[in-house]
Amino acid sequence: SQQGEEDPQALSIQEGENATMNCSYKTSINNLQWYRQNSGRGLVHLILIRSNEREKHSGRLRVTLDTSKKSSSLLITASRAADTASYFCALTDSWGKFQFGAGTQVVVTP
Amino acid sequence: DTAVSQTPKYLVTQMGNDKSIKCEQNLGHDTMYWYKQDSKKFLKIMFSYNNKELIINETVPNRFSPKSPDKAHLNLHINSLELGDSAVYFCASSPEVHNSPLHFGNGTRLTVT
Repeated sequence: SQQGEEDPQALSIQEGENATMNCSYKTSINNLQWYRQNSGRGLVHLILIRSNEREKHSGRLRVTLDTSKKSSSLLITASRAADTASYFCALTDSWGKFQFGAGTQVVVTP
Repeated sequence: DTAVSQTPKYLVTQMGNDKSIKCEQNLGHDTMYWYKQDSKKFLKIMFSYNNKELIINETVPNRFSPKSPDKAHLNLHINSLELGDSAVYFCASSPEVHNSPLHFGNGTRLTVT
């Protein structure tokens, strides 16, 4: 399956710490996206990284992509309680098929 | 001025009933989707429409029928509801199919009793 597999499934950290989660996949991809889902809400797009890109930043978010290892990571720096959410990777493979990973649940405690 | 809005937010109904969920987007996007999120938060695509034409139809029971009256609307009708249909259903839209960010509605929590 080309579905992204996320690791860890759950992460608990304190405010101010960094949070890192990973997404691994099995096939060639066109792009990989990261989304956040707060409890009871829809998913919100964070960053899209294309297969020819290695790193992208958006505020406190940093996404890396290593196509040789078929993996991507999402780093949240200086986490806040408001970062508590589930984070999903989603990838579009070379055939255009798109799937979400199972998500990483992040809890940031004050 | 919500970008992707779906109604209702909650839907509780009995087995065997027929129900509809409505979705509208005001972003001018060409593509709309229905996703199902199960209790383990796994998101599975059900359908996708591009300019009112069905382009993705995953393995979904034919009790589920999408309808797109225009490219800003994609409704989901479910016949003969079953207990296993209980889930959160999300509508989403994007400028193009899956190669651009998806914009999601806030979901419809369907509970079948």
